[in-house]
Amino acid sequence: KNQVEQSPQSLIILEGKNCTLQCNYTVSPFSNLRWYKQDTGRGPVSLTIMTFSENTKSNGRYTATLDADTKQSSLHITASQLSDSASYICVVSARGSSASKIIFGSGTRLSIRP
Amino acid sequence: GAVVSQHPSWVICKSGTSVKIECRSLDFQATTMFWYRQFPKQSLMLMATSNEGSKATYEQGVEKDKFLINHASLTLSTLTVTSAHPEDSSFYICSARDNRGGAWNTEAFFGQGTRLTVV
Repeated sequence: KNQVEQSPQSLIILEGKNCTLQCNYTVSPFSNLRWYKQDTGRGPVSLTIMTFSENTKSNGRYTATLDADTKQSSLHITASQLSDSASYICVVSARGSSASKIIFGSGTRLSIRP
Repeated sequence: GAVVSQHPSWVICKSGTSVKIECRSLDFQATTMFWYRQFPKQSLMLMATSNEGSKATYEQGVEKDKFLINHASLTLSTLTVTSAHPEDSSFYICSARDNRGGAWNTEAFFGQGTRLTVV
């Protein structure tokens, strides 16, 4: 069964600190993995997209890693800011022509405290 | 990145009435649009996929007669919640992708979402 599991479910850190969010998946055959940021009451916004051959990708203070062997990904946020408070969603796509092969994780709710 | 505009951003309606939500791709041709529903503190759940000019494909458990989807042009898809009930209250999000050429790995861009409250 294709699944995407994220941890922790929620996280609270102080402004300026770093944090790492985890994503484990069992989606097969793997196509790509995306991390999205979703502010409360808004649609998700893409942060990074990674394919099988990529193991690190950065977007500003966000760095995503992918280990295709262990089927794990992480999103590292450095020097957190108050505006980083949001839900972070890991989305894994399987190769194929069906949209239902796009599997969403349940997200990590990140709160940055001043 | 490409822009997907969803309207309205929020709506309150009476039980038994119908509500239409629009999803527009502003700077690209959306050959495929997806409609999702998201309950509080839960993940997005795919409701249906629509390809321009053809009937939508609904996920298991989603009533096609209740959630009417129209994708008549390459830039507009609509979701109509018919005879809405309080349990239909949710956050509805569309996403759009240009996958001409069969490129299913192309980026899908999300709309801002619509908060529907049925009273």
